[in-house]
Amino acid sequence: EAAVTQSPRNKVAVTGGKVTLSCNQTNNHNNMYWYRQDTGHGLRLIHYSYGAGSTEKGDIPDGYKASRPSQENFSLILELATPSQTSVYFCASGEGRASQNTLYFGAGTRLSVL
Amino acid sequence: GEKVEQHESTLSVREGDSAVINCTYTDTASSYFPWYKQEAGKSLHFVIDIRSNVDRKQSQRLTVLLDKKAKRFSLHITATQPEDSAIYFCAASMSNYNVLYFGSGTKLTVEP
Repeated sequence: EAAVTQSPRNKVAVTGGKVTLSCNQTNNHNNMYWYRQDTGHGLRLIHYSYGAGSTEKGDIPDGYKASRPSQENFSLILELATPSQTSVYFCASGEGRASQNTLYFGAGTRLSVL
Repeated sequence: GEKVEQHESTLSVREGDSAVINCTYTDTASSYFPWYKQEAGKSLHFVIDIRSNVDRKQSQRLTVLLDKKAKRFSLHITATQPEDSAIYFCAASMSNYNVLYFGSGTKLTVEP
């Protein structure tokens, strides 16, 4: 079973502060993703990556940066956090091959921006 | 990007009955349609998928149907059990690169 670990699991931040959400996967997957989950919107794609050094914008990248320094690690950075970024954030990884498209999700990070 | 609509936000069925969750997508280039399940307070995990080269796929009590002309796909759960209670997300992918676009989720409640 693929393992994706997110940290922290819970975070309270102040408006205007910097927040970094971290994700680590131990399965040597090429692709990694950051989604946020909000009631009524489901899962929305923020940023994704095809491998170390690569970051791509998803559907809602504004206010977020991403960093993929290695195959294993993918971070989501909120430089100036706003209350609208209060949400549950999920990281996922996948092999990125046509024959194997399954995504493996982390446990999620609950972020509250006050 | 692709837009996936999930039509039922909530669905309640009696144990043993069948449940159907419907989704539509916008881009004819989409070729891969998975379903994920999220149990209360937990993360998402994969349950079943279908590719555009077939119109039906079954795995035990789960069946996925795909209608490419209508750009519609659906998840059918037969003989529902309490452990089927969860939020189910449909998704679509346009490429081989695994970028999945999700629907808004359907909360399924199976009542005893």
